[in-house]
Amino acid sequence: QVQLVESGGGVVQPGRSLRLSCATSGFTFYDSAMHWVRQAPGEGLEWVAVISYDGANYYHAASVKGRFTISRDNSNNILYLQMNSLRPEDTAVYYCARGHGYNRIDSWGQGTLVTVSS
Amino acid sequence: QSVLTQPPSASGTPGQRVTISCSGSSSNIGTNYVFWYQHLPGTAPKLLIYSDGQRPSGVPDRFSASKSGTSASLAITGLRSEDEADYYCAAWDDSLSGYVFGTGTKVTVL
Repeated sequence: QVQLVESGGGVVQPGRSLRLSCATSGFTFYDSAMHWVRQAPGEGLEWVAVISYDGANYYHAASVKGRFTISRDNSNNILYLQMNSLRPEDTAVYYCARGHGYNRIDSWGQGTLVTVSS
Repeated sequence: QSVLTQPPSASGTPGQRVTISCSGSSSNIGTNYVFWYQHLPGTAPKLLIYSDGQRPSGVPDRFSASKSGTSASLAITGLRSEDEADYYCAAWDDSLSGYVFGTGTKVTVL
């Protein structure tokens, strides 16, 4: 079955960087668009970024554009999220998710917690 | 602030029908498919409805959805205790070039 396992979360100081990874299995990774979605404490779901199946196209939410970069390694079935210039408001659980195109998110990981605090 | 607006809460007793609205605009719901997700805190969200009103396999037919113009709605009939969760609508937004989630609705089973 589809498995999505996020890693790389932790506590980081404001202004620093962190890279999240999502190891995938159970489906044809190179055929799937992939998303990152986050949920801040006590808040709702917020879409972060999506990348096309081949990595040629990607989109980021306005709140992270210029600071975060989504990428993928189709050889090793891994999705990444490079997060730079982190802010306290980036504190959230970050979910890796499989897309059916850019619209339909049909599988989700369990999430990894990122805490931005001094 | 999300561009898709939902009521913050909804509730009902077991067996009742609950509906959740989702209000958007011409750049999202008015143009693109609407999706609905169920999220229990501490767990991975789950796709409940895709392409406006289609249910993935395994989702009970107690869940249904519809869309009209720039608004959509999710209905839960025969409410059960395990339906107590947060529900989110979502759609691609052409103006933002991004996916947007609704503000979320917490469903409580009384």
